[in-house]
Amino acid sequence: QVQLVESGGGVVQPGTSLRLSCAASGFTFSSYAMHWVRQAPGKGLEWVAVISYHGSDKYYADSVKGRFTISRDISKNTLYLQMNSLRPEDTAVYYCGNAGFGSGTYLPLEYWGQGTLVTVSS
Amino acid sequence: DIVMTQSPDSLAVSLGERATINCKSSQSLLSSSSTNNYLAWYQQKPGQPPNLLIYWASTRESGVPDRFSGSGSGTDFTLTISSLQAEDVAVYYCQQYYTAPLTFGGGTKVEIK
Repeated sequence: QVQLVESGGGVVQPGTSLRLSCAASGFTFSSYAMHWVRQAPGKGLEWVAVISYHGSDKYYADSVKGRFTISRDISKNTLYLQMNSLRPEDTAVYYCGNAGFGSGTYLPLEYWGQGTLVTVSS
Repeated sequence: DIVMTQSPDSLAVSLGERATINCKSSQSLLSSSSTNNYLAWYQQKPGQPPNLLIYWASTRESGVPDRFSGSGSGTDFTLTISSLQAEDVAVYYCQQYYTAPLTFGGGTKVEIK
């Protein structure tokens, strides 16, 4: 079955960097676009970024553009989110998800990981 | 950016009764090249990741009970739970995937009256 397992979260100081990983299994990772979505404590869902199945197209939320970078390693079946210049408002649970139902980039998130918590605090 | 506005923020419904959640987008989600509306609905229970319920505005995801249905087109959409069950207590989100940045509605919390 499809499994998405996030890792790399933790407590960091403002202005520092962190890299999240999402290990994928149970599906052909190279055939699907992948997303990051975050949820601040007690708040709603915020879409963060998407990468196309081939990795050439990447799109970001305005709130993270220029600071976060999404990438994927097909050989490792792993999705990444490099987060630089972290701010307290980046504190959230970060979920990865795959875009189901085809190879397109603009598709809903069919499967989600359990999430990893990032806390940005001094 | 496309803004997604959900209403109400919360609602309390008696067991077995109908629950209706609305979602309005700031621009049409209907593809000009097809009849598809790029709108999904998710359910999120406490401590869990979201779960996809409906996509293309009205297509039920595999395994989702048929008491959940989606409707609407263009800019106005509705999620209906025809007969609320205790396990349906959750927060429900709409999401547009028509264009980046993909955006979610603010969520609607459904409780038992």
